[in-house]
Amino acid sequence: DVKVTQSSRYLVKRTGEKVFLECVQDMDHENMFWYRQDPGLGLRLIYFSYDVKMKEKGDIPEGYSVSREKKERFSLILESASTNQTSMYLCASRALAGFGGGFFGPGTRLTVL
Amino acid sequence: EDKVVQSPLSLVVHEGDTVTLNCSYEVTNFRSLLWYKQEKKAPTFLFMLTSSGIEKKSGRLSSILDKKELSSILNITATQTGDSAIYLCAVPQGGSEKLVFGKGTKLTVNP
Repeated sequence: DVKVTQSSRYLVKRTGEKVFLECVQDMDHENMFWYRQDPGLGLRLIYFSYDVKMKEKGDIPEGYSVSREKKERFSLILESASTNQTSMYLCASRALAGFGGGFFGPGTRLTVL
Repeated sequence: EDKVVQSPLSLVVHEGDTVTLNCSYEVTNFRSLLWYKQEKKAPTFLFMLTSSGIEKKSGRLSSILDKKELSSILNITATQTGDSAIYLCAVPQGGSEKLVFGKGTKLTVNP
């Protein structure tokens, strides 16, 4: 019954490291999203992809990049991790508009020391 | 700038109470509004409301869209401790597929 999986549940990295977070969905959804969730700030969109190799910036893209080489896989890259990127990262996928709310992955709790 | 505002930010009730959660939105080219429930882990989808489907119900949960007031409410009747969660409201941004979320309402149901 697995729908959206994320590569790690918990991750600890050092400042300056390059970090890869992977998300895979098995529902053939067109749209995939990366959010971060912080107390008091809610869910904030980092990047969005609506098709293979297509991406759009969300509200807070600075310090992040993404890659979508295959429809089922959407990767979030922290080029040079910083302590203010310590957060819960949630991936989501959703079919085209009008087809429900989609599914979220279990999240990755990233700590940058 | 598109935005979604939820109120209250937190709410504490007793089992059996009825609660109403609010979501207001300002987006261009509105198409739909979605409600999610987040317990300890990832959000799970509850309802999607559109111009052609302004009211949804599932068990003790129901939701109504008011396009005139640019808002939606989520009602939970006869609350149970298992309803304790963060309830999130989201709207696709500016006619695109990008979902913008409100900050959520944290509901605590005490026995």
